[in-house]
Amino acid sequence: EVQLVESGGGLVQPGGSLRLSCAASGFNFNNYVMTWVRQAPGKGLECVSSISGSSDNTLYADSVKGRFTISRDNSKNTLYLQMNSLRVEDTAVYYCAKDLRGVTPDAFDIWGQGTMVTVSS
Amino acid sequence: QSALTQPASVSGSPGQSITISCTGTSDDIGSHNLVSWYQQHPGKAPKLIIHDVIERPSGVSNRFSGSKSGNTASLTISGLQADDEADYYCSSYTSSSTFLVFGGGTKLTVL
Repeated sequence: EVQLVESGGGLVQPGGSLRLSCAASGFNFNNYVMTWVRQAPGKGLECVSSISGSSDNTLYADSVKGRFTISRDNSKNTLYLQMNSLRVEDTAVYYCAKDLRGVTPDAFDIWGQGTMVTVSS
Repeated sequence: QSALTQPASVSGSPGQSITISCTGTSDDIGSHNLVSWYQQHPGKAPKLIIHDVIERPSGVSNRFSGSKSGNTASLTISGLQADDEADYYCSSYTSSSTFLVFGGGTKLTVL
């Protein structure tokens, strides 16, 4: 079964850090672009960051550039998002998503269940 | 403010058809055939229902169809069913600095 399972969310104070993980199974993980998408409470979807299969290309939304770092370990079939200098506006459900293809992030055919990140004092 | 513009809500009765529009610019929808649509039920992860403007993933009902004209993409749902009640989001690849843009979402109510 093709599956993505996120973990690592929680409550953190402004300025703090969190590391999200996404464990993949059921497909050739290293062949696909992977992306983190977030959704603030009651709001729409926002692409946060993407990484190519070989990790040679990464993309970030302007809102997180310089604060978040995406990475992957293909030997462990795991995607990561290191989040530093967290702000209240980073509060959201964070989903990891598999791209339909392996070139650029354009269509996400598999999603995890999401992990909640709450930034609050 | 989302990069792609969708109506906040649409509604229809069971059996009817509805269309949701998604308006972008010449940097995204207008110059790329990489438009996708997602269905999201409350508390659930989004589900891909249309990609590459018109393509349906395996297992998605043929009641869902996509199209594009100029800078506007559209999702049509025919034969509305109660389970179609959900939020719908469009997305498009973009040539601008933001690598993928989403619409603000449309809440579909089945009356």
